[in-house]
Amino acid sequence: DIQMTQSPSSLSASVGDRVTITCRASQSISSYLNWYQQKPGKAPKLLIYGASSLQSGVPSRFSGSGSGTDFTLTISSLQPEDFATYYCQQSYSTPRTFGQGTKLEIK
Amino acid sequence: EVQLVESGGGLVQPGRSLRLSCAASGFTFNDYAMHWVRQAPGKGLEWVSGISWNSGSVGYADSVKGRFTISRDNAKNSLYLQMNSLRAEDTALYYCAKDKYSTGLYYFDYWGQGALVTVSS
Repeated sequence: DIQMTQSPSSLSASVGDRVTITCRASQSISSYLNWYQQKPGKAPKLLIYGASSLQSGVPSRFSGSGSGTDFTLTISSLQPEDFATYYCQQSYSTPRTFGQGTKLEIK
Repeated sequence: EVQLVESGGGLVQPGRSLRLSCAASGFTFNDYAMHWVRQAPGKGLEWVSGISWNSGSVGYADSVKGRFTISRDNAKNSLYLQMNSLRAEDTALYYCAKDKYSTGLYYFDYWGQGALVTVSS
């Protein structure tokens, strides 16, 4: 199975900050990497698919990059509604493993 | 509007069984693979199982293999998860998710709100 490792596990930041979350796969997954946002008590929401494609309706301050084993999710200017937990997921093979999550908190 | 509505959750004793359902609407159900993803209280997301559009291919996490069975009824636009020999560690919120395939990429573009399964004596 492919293991997905996110860093950091938690992050404190302020409104307006630029934030980067990283995700590393245990083997090459090409660009088969997705990012989800989850707010407390809510289902996950797709942000980025294929490592860098923005899902329809997602603000352009979110961006993704990377290929192979190393990926990043960047929020260019944090907004109050962005404080949530973020998960990466590989779709290269079954099982479709997730990272352990990165909790983004208000500083 | 795409809707995924899970049902069938509840409190169950260890070793017993439970069947989750996911009713889909707002899209052509039999065109898409579907999945179950769970989240234990205060924990992260764990992929549980997936099934292809025609039930020809299924997959399971090692943690549930041999105990859980995924199935679907395309005539009823419904996805199921039969959970047997339940353990305390199966306690979680279970989400169903629609698998989108586009330009060679796969991703979960819609999720239900989840069904809570609590395994306890």
